[in-house]
Amino acid sequence: AQTVTQSQPEMSVQEAETVTLSCTYDTSESDYYLFWYKQPPSRQMILVIRQEAYKQQNATENRFSVNFQKAAKSFSLKISDSQLGDAAMYFCAYRRGNNDMRFGAGTRLTVKP
Amino acid sequence: GAVVSQHPSWVICKSGTSVKIECRSLDFQATTMFWYRQFPKQSLMLMATSNEGSKATYEQGVEKDKFLINHASLTLSTLTVTSAHPEDSSFYICSAYTPDQPQHFGDGTRLSIL
Repeated sequence: AQTVTQSQPEMSVQEAETVTLSCTYDTSESDYYLFWYKQPPSRQMILVIRQEAYKQQNATENRFSVNFQKAAKSFSLKISDSQLGDAAMYFCAYRRGNNDMRFGAGTRLTVKP
Repeated sequence: GAVVSQHPSWVICKSGTSVKIECRSLDFQATTMFWYRQFPKQSLMLMATSNEGSKATYEQGVEKDKFLINHASLTLSTLTVTSAHPEDSSFYICSAYTPDQPQHFGDGTRLSIL
């Protein structure tokens, strides 16, 4: 079974600084997708970034980038130039093919002004 | 704009009643829809997977007779919580999937059973 582990229940960052959220996963598959979702208090699930396992290049989306280490089964999210609007729950997720998405326990990010 | 519409966003009802939640994919045909449940300050837990025209596949521990899922078309899936009780109060989120598309989530339904 695939499991996703987020070892940081809470993280805090100063506005304009950089923060890294950790995620590890367990799978025996070679082809899969990894995601980071943001869930603000409104509880909408907002896709932040996605990574295809077959791609060696780390995905980036503006201030958000990932460090994908396939051999280590690690998928961390780096948020640069943190903004107050980045405060939210962040979920790491794994999906294989058209199967369901499995989520980590989440990391609550606080951004201090 | 939203590509997955979920209704209602919030419902309060009496214990013993049944509640139906709709999930519609607006811009695409979803081959698969997923239903998740989220308790406060917890992660999303998969309840069931539904494919159009076939019976839903439920996760272990999810009561099939309590959480009825219907996926009658490629754009609509419904979750009916039957004979709801206070312990069924939770946040329910649907997600729609089709190949070559990112998985889209509805905005969720907050269900409160009195």
